[in-house]
Amino acid sequence: AQSVTQLDSHVSVSEGTPVLLRCNYSSSYSPSLFWYVQHPNKGLQLLLKYTSAATLVKGINGFEAEFKKSETSFHLTKPSAHMSDAAEYFCVVSDSNTGKLIFGQGTTLQVKP
Amino acid sequence: KAGVTQTPRYLIKTRGQQVTLSCSPISGHRSVSWYQQTPGQGLQFLFEYFSETQRNKGNFPGRFSGRQFSNSRSEMNVSTLELGDSALYLCASSSMWGGTEAFFGQGTRLTVV
Repeated sequence: AQSVTQLDSHVSVSEGTPVLLRCNYSSSYSPSLFWYVQHPNKGLQLLLKYTSAATLVKGINGFEAEFKKSETSFHLTKPSAHMSDAAEYFCVVSDSNTGKLIFGQGTTLQVKP
Repeated sequence: KAGVTQTPRYLIKTRGQQVTLSCSPISGHRSVSWYQQTPGQGLQFLFEYFSETQRNKGNFPGRFSGRQFSNSRSEMNVSTLELGDSALYLCASSSMWGGTEAFFGQGTRLTVV
């Protein structure tokens, strides 16, 4: 069975400093992986996706993630945090048999001025 | 191009009642999935429809049901509401079944009192 584990439930950074949100996955197959962001009282917005092309994936708003098969990781990074990045972030794997999305528990990113 | 539209945005219902939520996917998308989001359980998959057929179902009781129409619009129904059904219900649309990126609506916030 496929699953994702987000290693931090809460991350706090200062504005202008780097962001690292950690995600490990478990999959028997070559996975499709995604990062979504959810701002308060909003739906989910796709940040980026990995589908077995380049291992370094660039997304919107300056975010990127690197797929590391040897470490079964798909960490999300951003060089410089902005106040508007404060939100909840979800690492997601797509079940290759059913196509359903399997969500991690989420990481709340706090950005301090 | 219009996004995913969910109606209504907010609902308050009494225990024992039933409720119907609606989702209009992005034009041309034939896959619609439903998710329940609660603080305790996070995001959980309810079911997925593709071309009017239910393709997958999550681990929810039979009180939760859905359908998809020929224009790809989808509805989900919850009968005999319980307090624990209070949640944000999110709908996602995809162009294809399985593995492709999903676009989410803003959700319907259901409160059961």
